[in-house]
Amino acid sequence: QSALTQPASVSGFPGQSITISCTGTSSDVGGYNLVSWYQHHPGKAPKLLISEVTKRPSGVSDRFSGSKSGNTASLTVSGLQAEDEADYYCCSYAGVSTIVFGGGTKVTVL
Amino acid sequence: EVQLVESGGGLVQPGGSLRLSCAASGFSFSTYWMTWVRQAPGKGLEWVANIHRDGGDKFYMDSVKGRFTISRDAAKNSVYLEMNSLRVEDTAVYYCARVSLAVTRPNYSMDVWGQGTMVTVSS
Repeated sequence: QSALTQPASVSGFPGQSITISCTGTSSDVGGYNLVSWYQHHPGKAPKLLISEVTKRPSGVSDRFSGSKSGNTASLTVSGLQAEDEADYYCCSYAGVSTIVFGGGTKVTVL
Repeated sequence: EVQLVESGGGLVQPGGSLRLSCAASGFSFSTYWMTWVRQAPGKGLEWVANIHRDGGDKFYMDSVKGRFTISRDAAKNSVYLEMNSLRVEDTAVYYCARVSLAVTRPNYSMDVWGQGTMVTVSS
């Protein structure tokens, strides 16, 4: 149950696109199409952005998109906005009904 | 409105016990797996435990196995986390969350979250 690897921080200017990577192993990210992404503003409940690698729940902006290649998943935020400044977490199914999160990435809008 | 409300957090000494509750409303509780996720101060999110929609199967992260027990009560639309032999490193905000469905099976993403309840383990 080792945490998935994410960059500690990513930054960008308003209007730019940023990508957050999430690296695991063949036992989690690479083994299942069950990667999800969350946005977390401090003091609030986390918000689901992407499920099953690429699926966006109703109400989530289409500026958020997900992908996966091998053991690495990615979240892309397009048209970066001030309200996108938050912590972002990836999460993967890891077998036997267990779940593993990434360490989190702090996104700063410059 | 779909909602999860946690309660039961507080200050407890190392080795002590605490029971967290999570009341669900606005959805068919018995249709969904439920989960607990925690966040220690200054740290990231960490999955703690899952429970099957019928309460029959339960799964835990390694460091809480044998100390924490997840359970649910369909009549009360509630899920619980019984925490025993608490350690300083269990200090965290504990979130209750609903596990989303892919048609009829869990897809292990969490689509509804509570606001969290703080657990502090300290002497």
